[in-house]
Amino acid sequence: GQQLNQSPQSMFIQEGEDVSMNCTSSSIFNTWLWYKQDPGEGPVLLIALYKAGELTSNGRLTAQFGITRKDSFLNISASIPSDVGIYFCAGQTYSGGGADGLTFGKGTHLIIQP
Amino acid sequence: GAVVSQHPSRVICKSGTSVKIECRSLDFQATTMFWYRQFPKQSLMLMATSNEGSKATYEQGVEKDKFLINHASLTLSTLTVTSAHPEDSSFYICSARVGLSGKQFFGPGTRLTVL
Repeated sequence: GQQLNQSPQSMFIQEGEDVSMNCTSSSIFNTWLWYKQDPGEGPVLLIALYKAGELTSNGRLTAQFGITRKDSFLNISASIPSDVGIYFCAGQTYSGGGADGLTFGKGTHLIIQP
Repeated sequence: GAVVSQHPSRVICKSGTSVKIECRSLDFQATTMFWYRQFPKQSLMLMATSNEGSKATYEQGVEKDKFLINHASLTLSTLTVTSAHPEDSSFYICSARVGLSGKQFFGPGTRLTVL
C-alpha cells in the first residue's frame, strides 16, 4: 500500500530544543493526523487537521495542514524527556461510508539526549 | 473517553493454528473499525475496514480468507488469523472510528508470534 514520505527518519536532540518534522504525499488528503507511538503500544492521537491551511496547537505541539492538501508538519517546542517516541503522520480520505482507513508515514524516531 | 481495547495483548501459537483477536470500543459505539498490521521497525499498514453488520473490505494484497473479520456489534470487531504461519508474526492494531469523522482511536495492539 501507499506510504507517505515522512522526514526526518530519526532525530537526536537535546532536552529543551524545538523539533520539526513533516510529511508529503503525491495525492491529496481530506484530513491529516499526527500520532505518537511508544514501544509495544498503539498510536495515540496528538492532533487532527481538517482544513487546508489549518494551524492547530495542542500544548507544546503545533501542526499545520498544507494548502495543497499534500503535506503537513508537526512542531514540538521545548522538548522534554517524555516526548521520546515514534511520531507518525497519517492521511485520510473520505468515501461514501465516511472517513477511510489511514495511510501512514514511515515515522520519525525522536531521541532526546539529557 | 474514546477508549479502545484489544485482547489478547500477546499470543504465541503453533504454525497451522488459528488465532482470534478482539477489538472493543469501551465508551462509544463504532460502526466502523479498522485493522492494521505493523512489522518491526516499520509503519502501520491498513489491512481491512470492518463495518458493523456487513462484510469487511480488504486492502489490495490482503487475503480475506486468511484474515477473517467479524463486526457483530457496535462495540466489537474480531480478526481471526487462520492457518497462521511464521510470516504472519506481527503487531496487529485495531482502531475505531468516531461516527463518520476522521478521528480514529487505536487499541493497544496484539503481538502475534507464530512458531
